[in-house]
Amino acid sequence: EAQVTQNPRYLITVTGKKLTVTCSQNMNHEYMSWYRQDPGLGLRQIYYSMNVEVTDKGDVPEGYKVSRKEKRNFPLILESPSPNQTSLYFCASSADRNNEKLFFGSGTQLSVL
Amino acid sequence: GEDVEQSLFLSVREGDSSVINCTYTDSSSTYLYWYKQEPGAGLQLLTYIFSNMDMKQDQRLTVLLNKKDKHLSLRIADTQTGDSAIYFCAERSSGGYQKVTFGTGTKLQVIP
Repeated sequence: EAQVTQNPRYLITVTGKKLTVTCSQNMNHEYMSWYRQDPGLGLRQIYYSMNVEVTDKGDVPEGYKVSRKEKRNFPLILESPSPNQTSLYFCASSADRNNEKLFFGSGTQLSVL
Repeated sequence: GEDVEQSLFLSVREGDSSVINCTYTDSSSTYLYWYKQEPGAGLQLLTYIFSNMDMKQDQRLTVLLNKKDKHLSLRIADTQTGDSAIYFCAERSSGGYQKVTFGTGTKLQVIP
């Protein structure tokens, strides 16, 4: 089954403790991206990647890092989480940068205390 | 930059039609999308329309595009309780990196 898998689904952590949210897709998609969803703000793009070893900042990249060492995986790294990073995070992928159809993961609800 | 706006809530009775509206600012948009997010799930593509089209119909869904006013709408006929969800409007820009910008989402509540 074609899917985008994120882990974990829920995460509670404390300020400053490094964490990684994993994302994996099994569709051989070139393009992957991370979004955060906040009430009243919709989805905002954090980072995106157009292929292996090619990543770029989205609209709200501060406090986040990503890597794309393999085509299928695109982890989101928070080196020193802060409470304003409490949010619902989504990973998405598409066949190419034209983004004709984005496939989304089920989301990761992160709370930073 | 690009901006996509939607009203936050819509409440309709089961069996009525729902109309969800969206405005966008990027005049070079190539595609406009409607995504549906059910509780506890990610977004799923519902339908999309090319920017050179005025209307697209797909079973109970009708998408209308007014390019002059940069206004997009999604009409759901015979709305069912299973249609309760958050609906996101999104637009795709033209150019080298064809970024997709999402609206704030409209929460549709269907009253039985």
